Amino acid sequence: GAVVSQHPSWVICKSGTSVKIECRSLDFQATTMFWYRQFPKQSLMLMATSNEGSKATYEQGVEKDKFLINHASLTLSTLTVTSAHPEDSSFYICSARDNRGGNTIYFGEGSWLTVV
Amino acid sequence: QQPVQSPQAVILREGEDAVINCSSSKALYSVHWYRQKHGEAPVFLMILLKGGEQKGHDKISASFNEKKQQSSLYLTASQLSYSGTYFCGTESGGGADGLTFGKGTHLIIQP
Repeated sequence: GAVVSQHPSWVICKSGTSVKIECRSLDFQATTMFWYRQFPKQSLMLMATSNEGSKATYEQGVEKDKFLINHASLTLSTLTVTSAHPEDSSFYICSARDNRGGNTIYFGEGSWLTVV
Repeated sequence: QQPVQSPQAVILREGEDAVINCSSSKALYSVHWYRQKHGEAPVFLMILLKGGEQKGHDKISASFNEKKQQSSLYLTASQLSYSGTYFCGTESGGGADGLTFGKGTHLIIQP
């Protein structure tokens, strides 16, 4: 079964509104979670690293004021797309590192965001 | 820096073998392999850590050549379910960073 869960699976929102996406590690604690964005037929691009109890680390070119990340607990990270625009429409995927053994990084199911 | 994957695409008949390569210009700490089907999230296949190792399960295996900073994924006796896009994700830090993914290799298995 899934070890990282993402919600919602898909969301449609109006331009200018904000959307929150949740990422949960189900059976392990994740001090670090990662947020990716994937446009159709392209690779996954790392947006930011979410650190429990501290500020997220954003990749170059990613606006931290637009993509708000909160990692309030060891099992939950949230990504809020603020003032969404149609160009923000994409597949957003989170992942979490399982440090219990093997250092495997598991991905959530992904969230399709469509801004109209 | 994004790792380079090759080939970009490959079409096979069921039962044939395939090799997908991933190379980096940076010293790597680990290489992670995933398969993604259209509209779905990537599914973890395996991870290889520096030290040069080879792993495998069922008919999918992989190797990591630390000296060359290259990894290869081997699919033997391919099945229809192997179709999808394969991505390698690399880490150059000490295992605390996110992955940098290659552009992917599209694999189509025909009956």
